[in-house]
Amino acid sequence: DTGVSQNPRHKITKRGQNVTFRCDPISEHNRLYWYRQTLGQGPEFLTYFQNEAQLEKSRLLSDRFSAERPKGSFSTLEIQRTEQGDSAMYLCASSTGHRNTEAFFGQGTRLTVV
Amino acid sequence: KQEVTQIPAALSVPEGENLVLNCSFTDSAIYNLQWFRQDPGKGLTSLLLIQSSQREQTSGRLNASLDKSSGRSTLYIAASQPGDSATYLCAVSLSNTGNQFYFGTGTSLTVIP
Repeated sequence: DTGVSQNPRHKITKRGQNVTFRCDPISEHNRLYWYRQTLGQGPEFLTYFQNEAQLEKSRLLSDRFSAERPKGSFSTLEIQRTEQGDSAMYLCASSTGHRNTEAFFGQGTRLTVV
Repeated sequence: KQEVTQIPAALSVPEGENLVLNCSFTDSAIYNLQWFRQDPGKGLTSLLLIQSSQREQTSGRLNASLDKSSGRSTLYIAASQPGDSATYLCAVSLSNTGNQFYFGTGTSLTVIP
């Protein structure tokens, strides 16, 4: 296993369309996180999974956003009715189930809404 | 809410210099602090993790220190190289959740050959 994998790397979509991103975490990592990063800013937390359970959601995660992690393996993040303000880098990270362990990030999916 | 600040926002140094990047956080009840590197348009690469019970961690030319009581961490880079040019981000997780990281806005480092 070479790390956290995210697909696609880039996505250009028209405003109003739905998009879905996929994240494959490091094998046996129980925890999976989604973050959003805009230009010149640090990543902002969106949501967190422990195995298949979504345990935390940021207020940034509006009702147009939904995340799933079926079977506690890969995760998907869907954005419905995209808006220009959704343009950002969407980052996925994973870590083991222990509290004080490193988080490992993927290469991100760059979303551009035109 | 945890606020994380990184100073300076940008730094330019000649190759070979030693340098220090600063990170401060408002809530000292952290579980751990992690330093990351980010190249333009790329994801984050983990550099060092310091647990709340530790005071420093070292990896190669990198040394990170943590002072929880004062809410500060520093990342020391020795003998800088052009390949070190990137944005460096620090992130903390809190004791009350331990699940999400709060990030600073980063320090953009340029090492001039």
